[in-house]
Amino acid sequence: GNSVTQMEGPVTLSEEAFLTINCTYTATGYPSLFWYVQYPGEGLQLLLKATKADDKGSNKGFEATYRKETTSFHLEKGSVQVSDSAVYFCALSLNTNAGKSTFGDGTTLTVKP
Amino acid sequence: NAGVTQTPKFRVLKTGQSMTLLCAQDMNHEYMYWYRQDPGMGLRLIHYSVGEGTTAKGEVPDGYNVSRLKKQNFLLGLESAAPSQTSVYFCASSYPGQPGANVLTFGAGSRLTVL
Repeated sequence: GNSVTQMEGPVTLSEEAFLTINCTYTATGYPSLFWYVQYPGEGLQLLLKATKADDKGSNKGFEATYRKETTSFHLEKGSVQVSDSAVYFCALSLNTNAGKSTFGDGTTLTVKP
Repeated sequence: NAGVTQTPKFRVLKTGQSMTLLCAQDMNHEYMYWYRQDPGMGLRLIHYSVGEGTTAKGEVPDGYNVSRLKKQNFLLGLESAAPSQTSVYFCASSYPGQPGANVLTFGAGSRLTVL
């Protein structure tokens, strides 16, 4: 079956530090990959996505590259801000599977001033 | 544009009671989903629908029922609530056919406590 494994948290960083959250996946077929972010008390919202190998998704200073050879989609940001404190979820979706998405367990990021 | 709206936002039930969570979307999305979120377990799919009048089981369907009588609405029912159903429930929707992707739009969540 399909699965997503995320780096365990929580992660605590100082403002302007470099962020990496690791994500690896297992899938039958060729999935699209996503990072969603959940701010306190809110639903998840799309942060970035990549639909095929070697694609790079980017948004709000965050980046992730679809690496088929290592089945990975690691999230990075060069300089985090306090406002980036949230829970980050890696996910995959296959168009042949009614669009159902499989999520990782989530990684809680706290950025301190 | 409201997106995905869930009601109620909070509810406390006693064991054995029943209730229905309502999800409404105004984006003309074909696909709709119900997930539950529990600490350390990510999101798990309960039921989903690929169009009006259709429903299917997800990963954790036991104890829940759903209906999709109108394209814009997706109802999640608990016939006899159990403490194990204490969770935060998220509804999501998507539009199929986006090239190579299926981006989900989520509601704000419904926090259910079963005593």
